[in-house]
Amino acid sequence: GAGVSQSPSNKVTEKGKDVELRCDPISGHTALYWYRQSLGQGLEFLIYFQGNSAPDKSGLPSDRFSAERTGGSVSTLTIQRTQQEDSAVYLCASSLDQSDYNEQFFGPGTRLTVL
Amino acid sequence: QKEVEQNSGPLSVPEGAIASLNCTYSDRVSQSFFWYRQYSGKSPELIMSIYSNGDKEDGRFTAQLNKASQYVSLLIRDSQPSDSATYLCAVLFGNEKLTFGTGTRLTIIP
Repeated sequence: GAGVSQSPSNKVTEKGKDVELRCDPISGHTALYWYRQSLGQGLEFLIYFQGNSAPDKSGLPSDRFSAERTGGSVSTLTIQRTQQEDSAVYLCASSLDQSDYNEQFFGPGTRLTVL
Repeated sequence: QKEVEQNSGPLSVPEGAIASLNCTYSDRVSQSFFWYRQYSGKSPELIMSIYSNGDKEDGRFTAQLNKASQYVSLLIRDSQPSDSATYLCAVLFGNEKLTFGTGTRLTIIP
């Protein structure tokens, strides 16, 4: 079946502009996660959704970052007034639910470059 | 102390040999452990999950979990050049978010 999809695959923007990243999880997966990976670095957790609610927003770096999920499916991550340090690959993952098993499957990522 | 620790490598292993990747984690309630493979420029791919002490085998991969010693390892038998990648260990503490190590870069030498 179809895996996690993300769009756009690449985004180049100017400092100060807003960007919106989209994630389409695996059908039937109720849990959705956003991570960020800077060049040569590990995965940085940003936020996760169980259904449409976000129980854990602790990883969002600043109030310029926000995310929403509607209909228990597609999620968008919005970065306002982008800064150069926001440049990274933004990864989305989904899992069947937020349970003990929690096997997460990743999308291909969106590479964001802020000039 | 980091919650999930891995040797960053690089780890070089001759083709056909066994590659052994190790991961230790902090002393917290943990029940689910995962290994992801990440090729350069690609996203992480789940290759193994393990939930109880002991060994779990899947093809050329074996995951080993020892909760008393707080380590989880991944063995790759008959290593192939296509196994060259960064391997990420991930631990689910309680029912919280998955915590990833920084990864071990593995290079299989033909």
